[in-house]
Amino acid sequence: GQQVMQIPQYQHVQEGEDFTTYCNSSTTLSNIQWYKQRPGGHPVFLIQLVKSGEVKKQKRLTFQFGEAKKNSSLHITATQTTDVGTYFCAGSGAGGTSYGKLTFGQGTILTVHP
Amino acid sequence: GAVVSQHPSWVICKSGTSVKIECRSLDFQATTMFWYRQFPKQSLMLMATSNEGSKATYEQGVEKDKFLINHASLTLSTLTVTSAHPEDSSFYICSASQRERRFFGPGTRLTVL
Repeated sequence: GQQVMQIPQYQHVQEGEDFTTYCNSSTTLSNIQWYKQRPGGHPVFLIQLVKSGEVKKQKRLTFQFGEAKKNSSLHITATQTTDVGTYFCAGSGAGGTSYGKLTFGQGTILTVHP
Repeated sequence: GAVVSQHPSWVICKSGTSVKIECRSLDFQATTMFWYRQFPKQSLMLMATSNEGSKATYEQGVEKDKFLINHASLTLSTLTVTSAHPEDSSFYICSASQRERRFFGPGTRLTVL
């Protein structure tokens, strides 16, 4: 079945440093979504990427979908302590829809030292 | 924005008892809801897809007789953990889609003693 691998598992940064998490799928994806989960909380939708090579920005966050639609990345510029949490990517298989089954990556736990 | 609620938010029960968890979409209709389980510091694992008015679709390795899912209306899905055991202790999260966005409930933390 479809597998979504995410690295790194943990990332510790000093406040102000940049952060990137990477996601790779074993199969071509129809779309990929990114979520943030704060400690003790539930996943909160950040963004969805659909098009090959798509790049989207949300303030200090940049999301990218690979040309082959099998990988994606999330980059945070100049991290802040409020960025702390676990970032998950989640993909729908080719032919699927954003309404359908999502396969989650393992998540990257980000800690930011002030 | 769309909101998904879950009840209860946490529950402690004795081994062998059954626990029902409710998932509601508060301001939109969801023909499909998804149930996930998350162990500490791990990812979300899809357990089953709940379809309104029909049987749920379970992922491989998830026992349908142990995790009973009922999606009786467009705004309510329930997950019943039957004869719970300590290894069932986990964080159970439901989600529903509205257009391209997926909304997650706040989760239910189940502890089985």
